[in-house]
Amino acid sequence: EDQVTQSPEALRLQEGESSSLNCSYTVSGLRGLFWYRQDPGKGPEFLFTLYSAGEEKEKERLKATLTKKESFLHITAPKPEDSATYLCAVYINAGNMLTFGGGTRLMVKP
Amino acid sequence: SAVISQKPSRDICQRGTSLTIQCQVDSQVTMMFWYRQQPGQSLTLIATANQGSEATYESGFVIDKFPISRPNLTFSTLTVSNMSPEDSSIYLCSVWGGGNIQYFGAGTRLSVL
Repeated sequence: EDQVTQSPEALRLQEGESSSLNCSYTVSGLRGLFWYRQDPGKGPEFLFTLYSAGEEKEKERLKATLTKKESFLHITAPKPEDSATYLCAVYINAGNMLTFGGGTRLMVKP
Repeated sequence: SAVISQKPSRDICQRGTSLTIQCQVDSQVTMMFWYRQQPGQSLTLIATANQGSEATYESGFVIDKFPISRPNLTFSTLTVSNMSPEDSSIYLCSVWGGGNIQYFGAGTRLSVL
């Protein structure tokens, strides 16, 4: 059975304190791994798609990496406005939908 | 990209009633997806709506409880029927857009009393 697990469930950081969020997956036939950001009361907002092991993508303070078993979302020198829930999801060969992990709730304090 | 509008944005309903949620996309798409996000939880796919055919439901979700319509390539509705407090969730519509990205609406926040 396909599984997507995110850790930690919640993460508190001080402003400027860099850290990483983890998304581990066990799937058959990965077509892509997605990262989304979700603010309270809003729908998920697309951040990145990674397609193959070794791939990296960056956007401002965020950098996503992918291996054959997991993905990391690295946050460098976070700011309070980075506070949100970060979701990862996998897109597999069998099917057209995304399967989501449980999410990591990030809180960045000034 | 794809712009998705959902209505209503939120509602408070009585137990035993039904609510229909609308999803409008700014471009024609083959598939539309309906997700549920229970309080503090991640997203779970309810069903995939294809124009011109019956929706495909995921395990644990049935048509009698969550009937879906898909009258054209830009519009879909999800009805939550005979509601109970356990149906209190955020319901999200999504589509695949340009760049092979799945886009989401802002969601409908449902509270059942």
